[in-house]
Amino acid sequence: KQEVTQIPAALSVPEGENLVLNCSFTDSAIYNLQWFRQDPGKGLTSLLLIQSSQREQTSGRLNASLDKSSGRSTLYIAASQPGDSATYLCAVGVTNSGYALNFGKGTSLLVTP
Amino acid sequence: GAVVSQHPSWVICKSGTSVKIECRSLDFQATTMFWYRQFPKQSLMLMATSNEGSKATYEQGVEKDKFLINHASLTLSTLTVTSAHPEDSSFYICSARGRRSNTEAFFGQGTRLTVV
Repeated sequence: KQEVTQIPAALSVPEGENLVLNCSFTDSAIYNLQWFRQDPGKGLTSLLLIQSSQREQTSGRLNASLDKSSGRSTLYIAASQPGDSATYLCAVGVTNSGYALNFGKGTSLLVTP
Repeated sequence: GAVVSQHPSWVICKSGTSVKIECRSLDFQATTMFWYRQFPKQSLMLMATSNEGSKATYEQGVEKDKFLINHASLTLSTLTVTSAHPEDSSFYICSARGRRSNTEAFFGQGTRLTVV
């Protein structure tokens, strides 16, 4: 069974810092990987989607990389802002699970002014 | 991206009653819909997968007679929590996927269920 781990569980940084969130998964037979943002009590906002054949995706200040062979992905946030404060979830789509997503527990990010 | 609408966004019900949650794909045909739940400070856990016109496939530990899933059309899936108990209180969220196998999954806004 696919296990998705996110490190760190929580992170607090001052505004303006660049930061990296880590995600690892145990089964490399994935078809894609998505990073989401979840605000307290809210649903999910998709940030970046990386197909299994891709190495990275970029959107604005966000960059996500994927190394399928080592079972790792990183989400890089440049020039963090207080509005970036949220929980960031990593999820992998596994081929043999009907293409459902397996989620990590998330990294809770706090960006202080 | 495609839009998935989930309703209601929150609901409070009494123990023993049933609650229905709707998940609609507004601008694409959802051949597969997934239902997840999230307990406080936990990650999202897949409950079941449903393909249009077929019976849902439930994950281990999820009671199919308690969580009834219907996916009768390509744009609508419903989750009914029957005889709800306080331990069913959770955040339920659906996602929908189109025909292509590597299509991005789009999520609804989620439903906060509180059973009192």
